[in-house]
Parts: sequence; C-alpha cells; structure tokens
Amino acid sequence: DMKVTQMPRYLIKRMGENVLLECGQDMSHETMYWYRQDPGLGLQLIYISYDVDSNSEGDIPKGYRVSRKKREHFSLILDSAKTNQTSVYFCASSLGSAETLYFGSGTRLTVL
Amino acid sequence: SQWGEENLQALSIQEGEDVTMNCSYKTYTTVVHWYRQDSGRGPALIILIRSNEREKRSGRLRATLDTSSQSSSLSITAAQCEDTAVYFCAPVDTNAYKVIFGKGTHLHVLP
Repeated sequence: DMKVTQMPRYLIKRMGENVLLECGQDMSHETMYWYRQDPGLGLQLIYISYDVDSNSEGDIPKGYRVSRKKREHFSLILDSAKTNQTSVYFCASSLGSAETLYFGSGTRLTVL
Repeated sequence: SQWGEENLQALSIQEGEDVTMNCSYKTYTTVVHWYRQDSGRGPALIILIRSNEREKRSGRLRATLDTSSQSSSLSITAAQCEDTAVYFCAPVDTNAYKVIFGKGTHLHVLP
C-alpha cells in the first residue's frame, strides 16, 4: 500500500519548546518534502531531501531543520518553537523531484 | 514570483454546473500537476498533463496546457457536491526540477 504516514496528527507546544515531527513512507521514494500550509498562502516548501543526508532548503527554511538518516524516514525539527510556527505541516514523497507527490494527512501544530 | 496573474482563490457553483479553474505561471515547464485537497487531508494528484498532450481527460475532469502562454486549466463537468475541495495547479519548474504549488482555488459546489 502506497502511504505517507505523519505523526502526531495534532500537537500543542509552548513557545520555546522543541518540536519533532516525524514522517515515514513505504514506497522507497528518494525524494521527500516538508511543507507548511497557512490560510491564504497555499503550500510553502520548507525543506526537500533528495536522499539520506542530502537535504536542501526550500523557500522558508528559517527556524527549521531536518534529518533524514533512513530513506523511509524524514523528520522536521523546530528548535525553540515560536508562535508564528503555528500551522499545518505536510510531509510528502516522490520518486523524483518532478514526479507525483504523495502527501501525508498532516500535523496540526499549535505553539502557545 | 513564479506566478503571474493571480489565480482565483474561491469559487462557488451549483451542483450540475460545469466549472473551469485557470492557472498562469512564470516558470518554464513542460508538465503541470493538478492536485485536490479535501478538508483535513493532504493534497492528492488528480491529473497530470504534459506539453505534448495539450488536453487530458480523466472521468469528469479535463486539463489543458498551453506552454506558449504559460497557462493551464482544469475543468469539471457536471460538478457534484463531493467535488468541493481545494484545487492546486502545480507546474514543474524545469530548471529547478521541482514542483511549484500555487495558492489553490477553493471550490464550493452547492446542492
């Protein structure tokens, strides 16, 4: 079954706390992504990973970092979360960076 | 910005009507993805059109691509309430070799 799994689905954190969002895929896709989605702004690319330990900044990387130690897992880390990082975060994967993207169901993060 | 003319943000139609969503972009591309996002879910690909196709159909969906005018469209014939969703046009930036998402069009199909 082709699936991208995100954990957790909902998360509430206080400003200054560290946040870890996890993503897994079972399709052996090389390329994985983290996006955030805010009302009226569409999908904004945070980071793209082309394979294990091969990560590149997207359009809005500031305040975020990523880790990809296995092809099937891609993590998004917020060190000392800020209130403006409250958003819905989506992970996606694709066979290549111009191919069909498969998205997870998202993590709704609230930073108080 | 990779986007030209602002794509329509929201659209409401009656069930049974036909609807067309237009997308214009600045990036050089030969492939456009169209994704649909239902409430509470991630986007999912509904149709992909390449420059050598000009038009592609899938059920009640029809996509067009005009690379000379850097525009694409998605039409839905006889829309149903279950077509209510956000639709994203996503051209592939050929130079950067990545998919670029627009802001999306919120389509509401009313009973």
